[in-house]
Amino acid sequence: KAGVTQTPRYLIKTRGQQVTLSCSPISGHRSVSWYQQTPGQGLQFLFEYFSETQRNKGNFPGRFSGRQFSNSRSEMNVSTLELGDSALYLCASSLRGARDEQYFGPGTRLTVT
Amino acid sequence: AQSVTQLGSHVSVSEGALVLLRCNYSSSVPPYLFWYVQYPNQGLQLLLKYTSAATLVKGINGFEAEFKKSETSFHLTKPSAHMSDAAEYFCAVSLGAAGNKLTFGGGTRVLVKP
Repeated sequence: KAGVTQTPRYLIKTRGQQVTLSCSPISGHRSVSWYQQTPGQGLQFLFEYFSETQRNKGNFPGRFSGRQFSNSRSEMNVSTLELGDSALYLCASSLRGARDEQYFGPGTRLTVT
Repeated sequence: AQSVTQLGSHVSVSEGALVLLRCNYSSSVPPYLFWYVQYPNQGLQLLLKYTSAATLVKGINGFEAEFKKSETSFHLTKPSAHMSDAAEYFCAVSLGAAGNKLTFGGGTRVLVKP
């Protein structure tokens, strides 16, 4: 069974731009969660989608948004990028939610200059 | 609110020695607890999870963890460290039925000395 895939793996953007990251979950998994990982703040939950609906949201500004498609693939968007948005963005999929095993993708390394 | 504390951001062990990584949690309801490992430039890999079925949980790569409710702890151990165990380890908590998000500890980086 193929794992969680994330594209692109690396991205360099300029302040003020916007970016869209993509995540394809494991086949059959309906829950997709997004996390931001930085050296200073560690791993922080962004949001979770289940069957195209956002079920839970972390404490991030409205510049961070996401969506899920009918095939469970998910995208997250960050508008008006700031230097502090530089991070590793990890996507995780599970059958139903966080009480199930979450399988993580390799992440997208975003650098904002 | 749930939270996780990992004691020690860095741990150094000799090859063949015991690995002990400490994790304490706070939760108002019975939690689901997880340990993940992250190798450089990779995502997180699940080592094991606790879901109330048994207090001693065995995971992959020889790791195990014991849930102690009275101490609100979920420490991770491995009897004999291997060079390949060098990585960063994260403890995480989820609140079960209502908890569709993971809250992570700060992580512990393990260095294995030959």
